[in-house]
Amino acid sequence: KAGVTQTPRYLIKTRGQQVTLSCSPISGHRSVSWYQQTPGQGLQFLFEYFSETQRNKGNFPGRFSGRQFSNSRSEMNVSTLELGDSALYLCASSPGLASGREDIQYFGAGTRLSVL
Amino acid sequence: GNSVTQMEGPVTLSEEAFLTINCTYTATGYPSLFWYVQYPGEGLQLLLKATKADDKGSNKGFEATYRKETTSFHLEKGSVQVSDSAVYFCALSDQSRGSTLGRLYFGRGTQLTVWP
Repeated sequence: KAGVTQTPRYLIKTRGQQVTLSCSPISGHRSVSWYQQTPGQGLQFLFEYFSETQRNKGNFPGRFSGRQFSNSRSEMNVSTLELGDSALYLCASSPGLASGREDIQYFGAGTRLSVL
Repeated sequence: GNSVTQMEGPVTLSEEAFLTINCTYTATGYPSLFWYVQYPGEGLQLLLKATKADDKGSNKGFEATYRKETTSFHLEKGSVQVSDSAVYFCALSDQSRGSTLGRLYFGRGTQLTVWP
């Protein structure tokens, strides 16, 4: 069974640009969450989507946005990139409580974003 | 609010030594507790979990017990191996929000290095 797939694995952008990161969850999982990992701030929650609806949002500026498609795949977008956006962006998927399975978050390998 | 505090690293041990990584939490409601492990260049892997007080999670020789009275979930292993070298994160889930368990709140992570 394939795990959570994030693309691309590495990305280099310059300040002011925008970027879109993609996440394909484990088959059958309906919830996708995004986290930002930096040495200074650790792991910080960005947002969670379930059945195409944003259910939860962390404390990030509006430049960070996301969406989920009907096949549960998710994208996050960062506009007007800043140097401080350089981080590892992790996506996690989980089946949801109604699935009858344990609702555990499984993580992808992440997208390493460098902003120059 | 919800938060997790875990001991600062790095932790350096010799092979076959005993490992303890302390983790305490603050939470509203009755969260589930997790330990995740991150190997270099990879995402997070679930190591073990506990969903209610006095539950003991265990996997690959690692154990942690959900202690509600001390709000703790300390990670232990009786005999570490070089292959256990990684960063370990303690986390708690938001209480159930209907369809999903919600976001994870992470500690800052503890770097473990095991020497042969």
